[in-house]
Amino acid sequence: AQSVTQPDIHITVSEGASLELRCNYSYGATPYLFWYVQSPGQGLQLLLKYFSGDTLVQGIKGFEAEFKRSQSSFNLRKPSVHWSDAAEYFCAVGATGNQFYFGTGTSLTVIP
Amino acid sequence: DGGITQSPKYLFRKEGQNVTLSCEQNLNHDAMYWYRQDPGQGLRLIYYSQIVNDFQKGDIAEGYSVSREKKESFPLTVTSAQKNPTAFYLCASSILAGGNNEQFFGPGTRLTVL
Repeated sequence: AQSVTQPDIHITVSEGASLELRCNYSYGATPYLFWYVQSPGQGLQLLLKYFSGDTLVQGIKGFEAEFKRSQSSFNLRKPSVHWSDAAEYFCAVGATGNQFYFGTGTSLTVIP
Repeated sequence: DGGITQSPKYLFRKEGQNVTLSCEQNLNHDAMYWYRQDPGQGLRLIYYSQIVNDFQKGDIAEGYSVSREKKESFPLTVTSAQKNPTAFYLCASSILAGGNNEQFFGPGTRLTVL
């Protein structure tokens, strides 16, 4: 069965520090992978997506993610975090059927 | 501007009442989705529709109903059979159904049962 695991429920980083949010997936075929961000009380916004090709993908707001098939991972990174990056981050797998499978999310706090 | 609108933003319901959440999109997308979000549980799929006049149950369809009479509209009814309806509800759409199609999300409706 398809599933997505985000091991970190909550992460706190200092403004200007680097960030890595972890995502592991379980899926039998080549997955379609997504990272979304959600501000409090709002909908989700797509940060980036991976379908095939270069395993390092660039997204909006300075985020990037790396697909590692051997580790079944798709971790999100940012070299220098801004206070406005504080939000909830969701990793998702798009299956060959019609469903997306979302992780439980990682809440990011940025301290000055 | 193209996008997805959900109304109302906040909704209060008494126990035993049905309530309908609105979702409209002007992106000309074929597929639409309803998710429920609870703290610490991520997003769970309630229903989805690949095309007008067609919809399928998701993982947690019990106590919910939908219709898709128009391409741009996908309303969700939370019935009195839903035992714990207090949650944040998100509507999404994609150009086509399928896991390779990015989903675009509305701003959500927070439903509280009093």
